[in-house]
Amino acid sequence: IAGITQAPTSQILAAGRRMTLRCTQDMRHNAMYWYRQDLGLGLRLIHYSNTAGTTGKGEVPDGYSVSRANTDDFPLTLASAVPSQTSVYFCASSESLAGVYEQYFGPGTRLTVT
Amino acid sequence: DAKTTQPPSMDCAEGRAANLPCNHSTISGNEYVYWYRQIHSQGPQYIIHGLKNNETNEMASLIITEDRKSSTLILPHATLRDTAVYYCIVRVAPNNFNKFYFGSGTKLNVKP
Repeated sequence: IAGITQAPTSQILAAGRRMTLRCTQDMRHNAMYWYRQDLGLGLRLIHYSNTAGTTGKGEVPDGYSVSRANTDDFPLTLASAVPSQTSVYFCASSESLAGVYEQYFGPGTRLTVT
Repeated sequence: DAKTTQPPSMDCAEGRAANLPCNHSTISGNEYVYWYRQIHSQGPQYIIHGLKNNETNEMASLIITEDRKSSTLILPHATLRDTAVYYCIVRVAPNNFNKFYFGSGTKLNVKP
């Protein structure tokens, strides 16, 4: 069982370019999440999805967009990258948004915007 | 949203119990306390959660005070592989959404 996979593992991106970070889970979880983690800090929620077709804004959504076309995939798009978006991005999933469910995290994507 | 306060770092000798404290004085009655850890920039890993009773699993024990304003995560026999950042999280559930707010955590250094 792979759990959650993320791609790419790392990326250097020029400012102003568009970038999509991919996230796929094979656990058939309804809820998925995107977090960013800046150096030495905890994780901050960017966007989340309750189920396929629905998304919501987290703590730091500006500059990011998401879509949830199916249960397994939850891509995160930076329409026009800026250096402040340099961070490590983690995707996570859980059985549901409501209820007492643990979140499972992917290995992360390290993004550097120059 | 309920915030948590944790010491930035702690040391523990290998084989001894590691006791990691967390303050969550503004916790609401229906909010759970979760603990996750992050080993060397990997994705966070779930450890344990609880509401008001003490909990134990194969990884750790969670002790929540009677007033629920603080809790302690106990790793009974710490190993070098337990060196990680440990996050105490109070689940904020507006509209039943399971949003987690991570703080800065406690860096646990297990020393031989």
